[in-house]
Amino acid sequence: GENVEQHPSTLSVQEGDSAVIKCTYSDSASNYFPWYKQELGKRPQLIIDIRSNVGEKKDQRIAVTLNKTAKHFSLHITETQPEDSAVYFCAASIKKGNQFYFGTGTSLTVIP
Amino acid sequence: GAVVSQHPSWVICKSGTSVKIECRSLDFQATTMFWYRQFPKQSLMLMATSNEGSKATYEQGVEKDKFLINHASLTLSTLTVTSAHPEDSSFYICSASGFSVEQFFGPGTRLTVL
Repeated sequence: GENVEQHPSTLSVQEGDSAVIKCTYSDSASNYFPWYKQELGKRPQLIIDIRSNVGEKKDQRIAVTLNKTAKHFSLHITETQPEDSAVYFCAASIKKGNQFYFGTGTSLTVIP
Repeated sequence: GAVVSQHPSWVICKSGTSVKIECRSLDFQATTMFWYRQFPKQSLMLMATSNEGSKATYEQGVEKDKFLINHASLTLSTLTVTSAHPEDSSFYICSASGFSVEQFFGPGTRLTVL
């Protein structure tokens, strides 16, 4: 089955700096890669996703890049703000209706 | 956007009792629903996948007789934790998927077994 690894497990940045979280996956058939933000005790919220036919996607301060050859994808947050502090999870999925394989999570702290 | 609700949001029960958690898709038909368990400071662990009208598919290591899943309609799935014990205390989250690959998560249920 699919195996998703995520690094780093914890990340602290100064407000205004950029944060980068990286994930690798093992199954080349995976074709959908969402990123979720989860605040303590709350549901995961989709913040951005990318499909395998695209190399990069951007939404304001958030961007995701995908390297299919190397089987890795990354989340980039620019101009970080304290409210960006949360746990971020990457995931990989093979097809509609199939399960998501989640990374282990990254606890991001933005220091004011 | 797609909305998924979960009930109850938290429950405290005595050891040995059963607890039912409901997951509803409010504005779309969920052909597939997923149940996750999340321990503190850990990732979401998939417990089972359920499709409307068919038996759930359980992940390895998840006892199907202990965690009963019913997906009776395109908008409702239930998870029943039978004979709950303190080690079953966790945050249970459902998600629902319709005609796209995206999954929409419920708000979660905090289960505490005394």
